[in-house]
Amino acid sequence: DAGVIQSPRHEVTEMGQEVTLRCKPISGHNSLFWYRQTMMRGLELLIYFNNNVPIDDSGMPEDRFSAKMPNASFSTLKIQPSEPRDSAVYFCASSSWFGYTFGSGTRLTVV
Amino acid sequence: AQTVTQSQPEMSVQEAETVTLSCTYDTSENNYYLFWYKQPPSRQMILVIRQEAYKQQNATENRFSVNFQKAAKSFSLKISDSQLGDTAMYFCAFMKVGGTSYGKLTFGQGTILTVHP
Repeated sequence: DAGVIQSPRHEVTEMGQEVTLRCKPISGHNSLFWYRQTMMRGLELLIYFNNNVPIDDSGMPEDRFSAKMPNASFSTLKIQPSEPRDSAVYFCASSSWFGYTFGSGTRLTVV
Repeated sequence: AQTVTQSQPEMSVQEAETVTLSCTYDTSENNYYLFWYKQPPSRQMILVIRQEAYKQQNATENRFSVNFQKAAKSFSLKISDSQLGDTAMYFCAFMKVGGTSYGKLTFGQGTILTVHP
């Protein structure tokens, strides 16, 4: 099992551009989570899905953020337009009753 | 809402010695899990140890053990025989069992642990 796969590992973009982060969860895991890690706020949950359905998006900071899970093997987190304060490490994690696994994260830098 | 507090921003220890990282939490829930995660410079989040709230026995994983005090809402991590590879940021985390927020992790602020040779 390759674990939770996130891409890209690093992303540098200019303010105002659209950014899409991608995640492939572990096969068989029915829940998927997007977390953001910053120095100021630590690790915080943005949104999570259960069986591809968004359950709680109360952590999404603004309407500029959106997330989708079109099928059990793929999810995206999109920021449009991006701003410098969105610079952070974004983690995807998937879980089932027996385990919770994080991806390696995407370091986003908005300049 | 749950909160998790790690009061030690940084800790250091000599190789082969023992160190304890502190964590307290606040919840009105009775059924939950507590975790310690390790984040080395590679930024990968690695599960160190897990404790179910209904279990009175403290969890142990090799050199890692916890002191779980449910009434005091305290969950400390003890690392014995510290190794250079233990150098990392350590996060305490809470997960409620059941309900619509099942699976959501609430993290503490983290403790940077440095192991010195």
